[in-house]
Amino acid sequence: DAKTTQPPSMDCAEGRAANLPCNHSTISGNEYVYWYRQIHSQGPQYIIHGLKNNETNEMASLIITEDRKSSTLILPHATLRDTAVYYCIGGGGSNYKLTFGKGTLLTVNP
Amino acid sequence: DSGVTQTPKHLITATGQRVTLRCSPRSGDLSVYWYQQSLDQGLQFLIQYYNGEERAKGNILERFSAQQFPDLHSELNLSSLELGDSALYFCASSVEGGMYTYEQYFGPGTRLTVT
Repeated sequence: DAKTTQPPSMDCAEGRAANLPCNHSTISGNEYVYWYRQIHSQGPQYIIHGLKNNETNEMASLIITEDRKSSTLILPHATLRDTAVYYCIGGGGSNYKLTFGKGTLLTVNP
Repeated sequence: DSGVTQTPKHLITATGQRVTLRCSPRSGDLSVYWYQQSLDQGLQFLIQYYNGEERAKGNILERFSAQQFPDLHSELNLSSLELGDSALYFCASSVEGGMYTYEQYFGPGTRLTVT
């Protein structure tokens, strides 16, 4: 499994973009980058995933560097309900399981 | 609402006992995953079933076992319970469990307290 490194915590003002970084320098060529979030003891929620290209969906955008060693999850207009722990995970390929690290606690402030 | 259901929501039992946690995947999903989340260990993958067959194993103790039934629901059995087994147990499901890991959808979890 790819080892990922995320800052333990970040703050963001409500209405502003939240940019959450992740380093995954050991990711292999066929491993995807997945982002999940967990709001206070609820089940983790899938956000987005990508392989090489940038991806966007209704929740967020994922920017992956060309060398695939890092990525950034962007929540374009953060709300108080986006306060959660965000997990960046390298997986896929022949790995079926998701290995969750400690993630980043994003606190959105009013 | 992810479409994944788990019962019960809360379970309190004593050391040495055995419990069964139940999970119903999203309609159409063939894969079921079980995770354990404790305060000191974070989210740990336990086991995966795909269409009734065990597909992958993680850090699952020998006292724990799981199965997936023909209707695709899954049960996680925990026996000889210890205080350290107190945790949140999550079930997740995905469309497939083949070569690539597809996005997983998690249930609300079962909170197990062992006293």
